Amino acid sequence: EAQVTQNPRYLITVTGKKLTVTCSQNMNHEYMSWYRQDPGLGLRQIYYSMNVEVTDKGDVPEGYKVSRKEKRNFPLILESPSPNQTSLYFCASSPRQGTYSNQPQHFGDGTRLSIL
Amino acid sequence: GQQVMQIPQYQHVQEGEDFTTYCNSSTTLSNIQWYKQRPGGHPVFLIQLVKSGEVKKQKRLTFQFGEAKKNSSLHITATQTTDVGTYFCAGLSAGGTSYGKLTFGQGTILTVHP
Repeated sequence: EAQVTQNPRYLITVTGKKLTVTCSQNMNHEYMSWYRQDPGLGLRQIYYSMNVEVTDKGDVPEGYKVSRKEKRNFPLILESPSPNQTSLYFCASSPRQGTYSNQPQHFGDGTRLSIL
Repeated sequence: GQQVMQIPQYQHVQEGEDFTTYCNSSTTLSNIQWYKQRPGGHPVFLIQLVKSGEVKKQKRLTFQFGEAKKNSSLHITATQTTDVGTYFCAGLSAGGTSYGKLTFGQGTILTVHP
């Protein structure tokens, strides 16, 4: 089954304790992206990756890191989490993305992070 | 940077009434996508609009892309309780170097009273 898998689905942790949210897709998609969703603010892009070893900042990259060493995986790293990073996070992938090839994104089920 | 404003933020309708949500971009868009997110779920792709003035229909849903490619709308005719959820637009900016940077609107939360 084609899917985007995020882990964990829920996490409660404390300020400053490094954490990683994993994202994996089995569709051989080139493009992957991370979003955070907060009430009244919609989905805001954190980082995206056009392909392996290519990552770029989205609208709200501060406090986050990503890597794209393999095509299928795109982990989101919070080196020193803070309470303002408490949010619902979504990973998404699509075959390609760009001015002439914008294609629908497939979203994971989401990860709800609470930073105390 | 690019901003995409979506209105209204909330819409409550009686079942059978029509519903419209609007997106306005601060910059010209290459294309725009629409997503629906059911309560507790993840966004699911509905449609993509690419051409200036484009209109597409999916059963009771009608999507429009403005002539200037800076605005878009989603209209639902005769809403049903299954239409409940949050509707998002997402725009890809035309030109520039941020080819992969998608900007989502804030979303419109639709509730339908039976």
